[in-house]
Amino acid sequence: SYELTQPPSVSVSPGQTARITCSADALAKQYAYWYQQKPGQAPVMVIYRDSERPSGIPERISGSSSGTTVTLTISGVQAEDEADYYCQSADSSGTYVVFGGGTKLTVL
Amino acid sequence: QVQLVQSGAEVKKPGASVKLSCEASGYTFTNYYMHWVRQAPGQGLEWMGVINPSGGSTSYAQQFQGRITMTRDTSTSTVNMELSSLRSEDTAVYYCARDHTGDVYELGYWGQGTLVTVSS
Repeated sequence: SYELTQPPSVSVSPGQTARITCSADALAKQYAYWYQQKPGQAPVMVIYRDSERPSGIPERISGSSSGTTVTLTISGVQAEDEADYYCQSADSSGTYVVFGGGTKLTVL
Repeated sequence: QVQLVQSGAEVKKPGASVKLSCEASGYTFTNYYMHWVRQAPGQGLEWMGVINPSGGSTSYAQQFQGRITMTRDTSTSTVNMELSSLRSEDTAVYYCARDHTGDVYELGYWGQGTLVTVSS
């Protein structure tokens, strides 16, 4: 089955830059999407089509893509950024949607 | 504004079926795909499938094929998801999610979630 690989956890101090990666062969052909989920809440899309930001998402959250790896970057991390982050894409045929396992971002 | 309002929590016994609903408002219902995603306690997000409210066509994740059915009612702007042969591992919060800009893969708007508990 198709999988997106994310690190289980990332830790940064306030004001630093957090980078969360997501890897899979199909990412070379398919867009990636990123979601932020805080405890007890529904996920919120923070990046679509690799690097586009929905309205209301701060500019310090950005996305990029290089080959089979996409990266979510949060600059000037704040305490409110502490959450689980999930990447999402489609398989190479575009038939199925798949999520990465999620990355817990801890703000030290 | 876009709103997705899901039905209330359910408690089911193993082997039973559950039918959840997701009522949409604030946009043209038939113009956007609707997905179902679930999250078991302490676990990650799992995609279950998608329905095109315009024609009713569906695509289901392989692990659910044979026991999942998604339908829509355009008169009430509601999407339903029925999962059968429930087992304890189906205990989860179930979310409906609408695509963002017409791109089927974008889950830009989410419902509040419905907790389904499967227990004998």
